[in-house]
Amino acid sequence: DAGITQSPRHKVTETGTPVTLRCHQTENHRYMYWYRQDPGHGLRLIHYSYGVKDTDKGEVSDGYSVSRSKTEDFLLTLESATSSQTSVYFCAISESTDQETQYFGPGTRLLVL
Amino acid sequence: AQKVTQAQTEISVVEKEDVTLDCVYETRDTTYYLFWYKQPPSGELVFLIRRNSFDEQNEISGRYSWNFQKSTSSFNFTITASQVVDSAVYFCALSGRNAGNMLTFGGGTRLMVKP
Repeated sequence: DAGITQSPRHKVTETGTPVTLRCHQTENHRYMYWYRQDPGHGLRLIHYSYGVKDTDKGEVSDGYSVSRSKTEDFLLTLESATSSQTSVYFCAISESTDQETQYFGPGTRLLVL
Repeated sequence: AQKVTQAQTEISVVEKEDVTLDCVYETRDTTYYLFWYKQPPSGELVFLIRRNSFDEQNEISGRYSWNFQKSTSSFNFTITASQVVDSAVYFCALSGRNAGNMLTFGGGTRLMVKP
């Protein structure tokens, strides 16, 4: 199994509060991704990183920001959480982005009240 | 833009039946990759297979087999002699260069295998 952990695994927060989710990998992979999973939508890409301090937007990036100051850590921040951001968030890693397989973390279940 | 459609949202079978999960994709790329992932009730996503667009050979791994047909833009997944442990949500996904090599997922098919 790929060494990927996510924290916290569960979080309940209130609308308008900032939330940061952490993804940590021990594989030294260059690429890291954040997805959200919602019923009927599969997984949708929020942001991804192709190296330290190198990030780019995905399909559903509005309301989210990311940072990567170390190879092993990729942070996802909801600046001001909204109920529409209630979801399950998955981090993934891959060695490269050239159609390489992405391996996923265990997920974080976020509820915004 | 690329798109993946899994028309079957839920399938229910009895143990030992064979079951096929359909996946149809759209892409303008000539080079692309197709994937299947499994999400059991515990919630994690497990990688099953990756195939490139130049390899249309069917693949078999134990009770699992995959049928890739470029002519119909399909990448179907068959489980032979299903077991209760196969109960999960299965996702088909596509990555292509024109989409920046990003994965596009289908909506998933929930498979329920009853004893």
